Amino acid sequence: DGGITQSPKYLFRKEGQNVTLSCEQNLNHDAMYWYRQDPGQGLRLIYYSQIVNDFQKGDIAEGYSVSREKKESFPLTVTSAQKNPTAFYLCASSTGSAGANVLTFGAGSRLTVL
Amino acid sequence: AQRVTQPEKLLSVFKGAPVELKCNYSYSGSPELFWYVQYSRQRLQLLLRHISRESIKGFTADLNKGETSFHLKKPFAQEEDSAMYYCALKRTSYDKVIFGPGTSLSVIP
Repeated sequence: DGGITQSPKYLFRKEGQNVTLSCEQNLNHDAMYWYRQDPGQGLRLIYYSQIVNDFQKGDIAEGYSVSREKKESFPLTVTSAQKNPTAFYLCASSTGSAGANVLTFGAGSRLTVL
Repeated sequence: AQRVTQPEKLLSVFKGAPVELKCNYSYSGSPELFWYVQYSRQRLQLLLRHISRESIKGFTADLNKGETSFHLKKPFAQEEDSAMYYCALKRTSYDKVIFGPGTSLSVIP
């Protein structure tokens, strides 16, 4: 069953703690993305990666970090430097090749900072 | 910088009425435009893309380069169309995808 798996679905964190959100895909997609979804603001891009071992900052990368050591995995770490981390986080992937720009999304992870 | 705007946060229409969700973008080149939809308790998914020139679930969208718009239209709204709709833009094949703020459509029975 192909797709994108995000975990955990819900996560609670105390202020000052780092937390890592998992994103795994078995679609053999080259490109992967992390978006943050807030009411009234749509989806804002945090980081994206077009190939393994390479990634670029999106519009709101401050306070976040990523790695892309394997094609199928793109974990996101929300650090204590992120000032307003409570949000819904969406991971997506695409083939990355020319003409194939459609994103496939995961079910999301909701992070709440207590 | 390129931007995508959706002027309506909320849109309510009666069942059977026409619906138009507006999307405007700011980019001087020839981007690829998309509409994504998120139904309640479901994942965000592609509804349609302008290069396909197809109708999905009765929805169509025409790219107007002169007005830099990509409005989503359906002649007769159905209750199952109630969802969050996002317009999105991609400048080139290897570029990031930028989303608008979204419009929540509510179809009243």
